[in-house]
Amino acid sequence: QKEVEQDPGPLSVPEGAIVSLNCTYSNSAFQYFMWYRQYSRKGPELLMYTYSSGNKEDGRFTAQVDKSSKYISLFIRDSQPSDSATYLCAMSDSGGSNYKLTFGKGTLLTVNP
Amino acid sequence: NAGVTQTPKFRILKIGQSMTLQCTQDMNHNYMYWYRQDPGMGLKLIYYSVGAGITDKGEVPNGYNVSRSTTEDFPLRLELAAPSQTSVYFCASSTGFGGNEQFFGPGTRLTVL
Repeated sequence: QKEVEQDPGPLSVPEGAIVSLNCTYSNSAFQYFMWYRQYSRKGPELLMYTYSSGNKEDGRFTAQVDKSSKYISLFIRDSQPSDSATYLCAMSDSGGSNYKLTFGKGTLLTVNP
Repeated sequence: NAGVTQTPKFRILKIGQSMTLQCTQDMNHNYMYWYRQDPGMGLKLIYYSVGAGITDKGEVPNGYNVSRSTTEDFPLRLELAAPSQTSVYFCASSTGFGGNEQFFGPGTRLTVL
């Protein structure tokens, strides 16, 4: 079983739709959960960060972590064409392997005007 | 601030050739990283550094070498290039491990023929 599983999509939605992106993981030591956004031919940039379980909201974006299910989600409300990008989940533990971010494969999202 | 810069943007190598990918950051970050990103495969850590003079292997270090003589620079050396090293290479930096945001450069697209 891979440490982090992410449905690569691609996902195509109309403008204004609610988007749900998800990752599952197997390592119960993961404590830090991140979503990075990567535009075509650019480097990833941090979009959302959550420590341990719970929800975090930032504008149109909401990140959720359910450690009991080993499942994290990113919701995008009122999606815009400018949200078209690849979304990568990333996780790290707080122990001896905390130097390493483990990334999902990424989900390619296209928001159509 | 320029953030993290990488040169070159693109490069084509012949099998067996060598090259150095340059990475510089101007944020005074102690922690720096090299990743490779293969299509649909997420990012894999090659090497990382916690400060000048200190480097360590990541998940996929074979065929690569690094050095860190200054806080700002973290070059990645490819010796005896192989087609399996065809990838997009990203350099990143951060203030620490775990949940600290990693700032990525724009990437170097390398093709080995």
